Amino acid sequence: KNQVEQSPQSLIILEGKNCTLQCNYTVSPFSNLRWYKQDTGRGPVSLTIMTFSENTKSNGRYTATLDADTKQSSLHITASQLSDSASYICVVSSGNNRLAFGKGNQVVVIP
Amino acid sequence: DSGVTQTPKHLITATGQRVTLRCSPRSGDLSVYWYQQSLDQGLQFLIQYYNGEERAKGNILERFSAQQFPDLHSELNLSSLELGDSALYFCASSARTGASLETQYFGPGTRLLVL
Repeated sequence: KNQVEQSPQSLIILEGKNCTLQCNYTVSPFSNLRWYKQDTGRGPVSLTIMTFSENTKSNGRYTATLDADTKQSSLHITASQLSDSASYICVVSSGNNRLAFGKGNQVVVIP
Repeated sequence: DSGVTQTPKHLITATGQRVTLRCSPRSGDLSVYWYQQSLDQGLQFLIQYYNGEERAKGNILERFSAQQFPDLHSELNLSSLELGDSALYFCASSARTGASLETQYFGPGTRLLVL
């Protein structure tokens, strides 16, 4: 079983609407959790990095939350734009550079 | 543009062959990471080098090897290629060891197709 599960696998949203992506993990011990945005055919770009003690972190219209007790994270996209169409990947680190990757949430924003 | 360069952009080869993928990290970055991304597996961490030395190993096959040179560029060698090795191969770099909260900057990737 994958140590990082993301849901929904894919979603379509209207431009201007908000959406929330979920990441549940079983990785232990926990060091940090990262969200990446990956445009089709390009390398991932880091959006946020959070440690155990951080509950929320924002990067423009992207807001990530972390509940280390329940081992859940979410990425909220506010007022979506067409350029938000991408795959969003959740990555959990257990230290010593041990990384576990989710398979990504595929988001399509339509006008 | 992340500042990480990878060559070639595309590579088509046959089963059983050997290829070398090249990565130049961002100026000043000491760590280089290699990742494989296939449609069914998603991103997988292969290996990390820091200042010329292997630092961490992930799901890297024995047929694959990598090295980081004194000028900090890195090469990923894939041998005895199989159809299942077809994937996007990404290189990323970070300033130090990556053990802290450093951001990794990804290159544009090399798309490998094994026929």
